[in-house]
Amino acid sequence: DTTVKQNPRYKLARVGKPVNLICSQTMNHDTMYWYQKKPNQAPKLLLFYYDKILNREADTFEKFQSSRPNNSFCSLYIGSAGLEYSAMYLCASSRNIAETLYFGSGTRLTVL
Amino acid sequence: GDSVTQTEGLVTLTEGLPVMLNCTYQTIYSNPFLFWYVQHLNESPRLLLKSFTDNKRTEHQGFHATLHKSSSSFHLQKSSAQLSDSALYYCALRGYNTNTGKLTFGDGTVLTVKP
Repeated sequence: DTTVKQNPRYKLARVGKPVNLICSQTMNHDTMYWYQKKPNQAPKLLLFYYDKILNREADTFEKFQSSRPNNSFCSLYIGSAGLEYSAMYLCASSRNIAETLYFGSGTRLTVL
Repeated sequence: GDSVTQTEGLVTLTEGLPVMLNCTYQTIYSNPFLFWYVQHLNESPRLLLKSFTDNKRTEHQGFHATLHKSSSSFHLQKSSAQLSDSALYYCALRGYNTNTGKLTFGDGTVLTVKP
C-alpha cells in the first residue's frame, strides 16, 4: 500500500481560529512533508519531519507547527488562521530524504 | 537558492501529436536529482520520471526525459499524446548532497489533450 491519507478533504475555518490537518502513512517512511499549494503557483515546502526531527522553512517558520507522535502520523497546525492560509495542503512521505515522495490527495483549506 | 522554470503554463494538443513540456533549472548542486510529477484531476501528484545521470534517457509510461546538465534542462516528451495524458505536470529538483529533503517545484504545466 503506497497510500498517504489526508483528512479532511475539505476544511472551512474562520479567521483567527486554529486549524489542525492530519496525515498518515503505513509505509514506514521515515520522512513526512507538508506542502502548501496555491492556484497557479508551485507547491511550497512548509516543513518536514525526518524521523522525530522537525525542519521548518525559514519564511514560514512562525506560521506553521507540526507534530509527529509516531512514525505513521503527522499533523499540520495553524494557531490563528488568516485569509492568506487558504490553499491546498499536500502531505507527502518518503522512505528517506533522498527517495521518491508519495503524496496524499490534499486538504483544501478555505479561511473565511 | 534552487529554482525550476516551466515556461508553459498551459499546453493544448490534439490527440496523436507529440508532447514536449519544457523544464530548466538552477541549482548550486553539481549532481541534482530531477523529477517529473503528474497530477490528474482529483488525484494526488505521483512520480512519473526521475533522473540523476547526465545525458541518459529515462522512460516510463510512454514518456521520456533526458537530463542535460550542460543546458540545465530536463524536458518531458512523448511521441504521441493520448486523451488520458491530460493532467498537471510538475518538474522538480532536489540536490544530491543535501540533508534538507527539500524538493523544489516548478509552477506546473497543464496539459490538455483534445480529440
